[in-house]
Amino acid sequence: NAGVTQTPKFQVLKTGQSMTLQCAQDMNHEYMSWYRQDPGMGLRLIHYSVGAGITDQGEVPNGYNVSRSTTEDFPLRLLSAAPSQTSVYFCASSYSSLGQGGEKLFFGSGTQLSVL
Amino acid sequence: RKEVEQDPGPFNVPEGATVAFNCTYSNSASQSFFWYRQDCRKEPKLLMSVYSSGNEDGRFTAQLNRASQYISLLIRDSKLSDSATYLCAVNEAYGQNFVFGPGTRLSVLP
Repeated sequence: NAGVTQTPKFQVLKTGQSMTLQCAQDMNHEYMSWYRQDPGMGLRLIHYSVGAGITDQGEVPNGYNVSRSTTEDFPLRLLSAAPSQTSVYFCASSYSSLGQGGEKLFFGSGTQLSVL
Repeated sequence: RKEVEQDPGPFNVPEGATVAFNCTYSNSASQSFFWYRQDCRKEPKLLMSVYSSGNEDGRFTAQLNRASQYISLLIRDSKLSDSATYLCAVNEAYGQNFVFGPGTRLSVLP
């Protein structure tokens, strides 16, 4: 059972470089999201999607783009990396909408990103 | 003010102790509440959902107080393996917007 698969696990970028963090889930989950986690800040929502073709901004969306062309994949793009984007990134998914008992979030194993 | 706040840590307790964590949330329209556990350098994993009537799972008890807008987690008979960071999460009414608290770190000492 693969669950939520995130790649890469580690990445070092130079300021101004772009890259894509990959996230895939094989559980047919409608909801997918990206969080960043910084010391003392907890998990902060970057972008989320409630289904293929639908995305929305979270708390800290600036500097990041997402798309949801399929149910399975939800890549996160850094357009021009900045040192402030140094963080641990987690992708997460859940089965169904709020109130239907399916809100349990399944997380990927995370990506440690350093921007120099 | 942060939407979800937690007791600042760390909590250092001896094995066998009972420890309680509190979490407050600011959005009164919040619908669902959870406790997640996160081990060092790992992803968060769901520990418990929190229901209005309270719920218990072995040594863990979670409670919700909607009037005061807080949730709590009680761990009885602490084990070394309970050492982790505990995150509370709140899901708001209008969408799948999970908001997490900053976490409380627990160290259970031998």
